[in-house]
Amino acid sequence: NAGVTQTPKFRVLKTGQSMTLLCAQDMNHEYMYWYRQDPGMGLRLIHYSVGEGTTAKGEVPDGYNVSRLKKQNFLLGLESAAPSQTSVYFCASSPKVWNTEAFFGQGTRLTVV
Amino acid sequence: LAKTTQPISMDSYEGQEVNITCSHNNIATNDYITWYQQFPSQGPRFIIQGYKTKVTNEVASLFIPADRKSSTLSLPRVSLSDTAVYYCLVVYPRGSARQLTFGSGTQLTVLP
Repeated sequence: NAGVTQTPKFRVLKTGQSMTLLCAQDMNHEYMYWYRQDPGMGLRLIHYSVGEGTTAKGEVPDGYNVSRLKKQNFLLGLESAAPSQTSVYFCASSPKVWNTEAFFGQGTRLTVV
Repeated sequence: LAKTTQPISMDSYEGQEVNITCSHNNIATNDYITWYQQFPSQGPRFIIQGYKTKVTNEVASLFIPADRKSSTLSLPRVSLSDTAVYYCLVVYPRGSARQLTFGSGTQLTVLP
């Protein structure tokens, strides 16, 4: 049972480039989340999804887009990367309602130069 | 203004009980308070969750006063392997929606 898998684990982008981070979960969870983690700031919610085909903005959504075309996958896109988006990105999933036990992936370390 | 506050760091010795408090004013009335543990280069891992009073599982206890303006994670008899960052996670009302908010984390260092 893989749980939550994030791809890629590391990436370096040049300013202005685009990329997509993939999150896949095999637990049949309804809720999925994308967080970013920066030193001294904890984790901040970027976007989340309450089910296939639905997405919503979190605390820091600017500069990111997401899609949930399949229940098991949640994609995070950066259309034009900026140095301020250098961070560690975590995907998570949970079974149903808000704030139940969430399972996190191992993270993607993104550097924008 | 939603604000979730935790001590930046704490030190303890093996075998001691450790209590980490998170302050969170005006959280949503119908959502859980959750605590996570994070080791370096890993994603956070769920520890415990509660709504009010006291909750206990095999690894920790969670104390929540009636006003729900704070919560305290209690780790009994810590060991070196408990050295990690601990986060509280709460939900704030945001208009008709809700906002998940992590605290900034408490670095716990367990000393031999």
